[in-house]
Amino acid sequence: AQKITQTQPGMFVQEKEAVTLDCTYDTSDPSYGLFWYKQPSSGEMIFLIYQGSYDQQNATEGRYSLNFQKARKSANLVISASQLGDSAMYFCAMRNTQGGSEKLVFGKGTKLTVNP
Amino acid sequence: NAGVTQTPKFQVLKTGQSMTLQCAQDMNHNSMYWYRQDPGMGLRLIYYSASEGTTDKGEVPNGYNVSRLNKREFSLRLESAAPSQTSVYFCASSEVRSGDGYEQYFGPGTRLTVT
Repeated sequence: AQKITQTQPGMFVQEKEAVTLDCTYDTSDPSYGLFWYKQPSSGEMIFLIYQGSYDQQNATEGRYSLNFQKARKSANLVISASQLGDSAMYFCAMRNTQGGSEKLVFGKGTKLTVNP
Repeated sequence: NAGVTQTPKFQVLKTGQSMTLQCAQDMNHNSMYWYRQDPGMGLRLIYYSASEGTTDKGEVPNGYNVSRLNKREFSLRLESAAPSQTSVYFCASSEVRSGDGYEQYFGPGTRLTVT
């Protein structure tokens, strides 16, 4: 079975500094995808970044980058130059294609607090 | 372009009551999903629909039924609500992107309390 583990229940970072949120995964599927979503206190789920298992380069989207280490089965999210608006829950998720659809398996999340 | 919409936003039920959560998407996506989110947990898949006319169970289907009414709409029904079903419910939809990537688009959520 596929599994996502986020070991940091909470993280704190100073404004303008970089922070890394950890995510490890377990799957026997040779083809998979990893996602990060942000959930602010308002509750909506916001897509941040995607990494495919066959992608040669680490994904980047603005201030977000994904440190993908396939051999270690990790897909850590790096946020550079943190802003107060980055305070939120962050979820790592893996694509599960069993059953013919693109289901997501989520980790339990990390609560990030950005301090001024 | 509204994306994914859900109704209602909030609902309070008594144990044993029934209700249907509605979800619609206007992005012409084939796949739709229902998740629940409990405190301290990530989202867990209840049911999904890979395409119009098909539905299948996810990780936590007990106590729920779904209907894929057409390509746009996917409803979730609680036949006899229980306090354990108190949660925030998210609907999502997706389409396969180029290569093997895709993004799921989420609705704003429905906060359900069962007393």
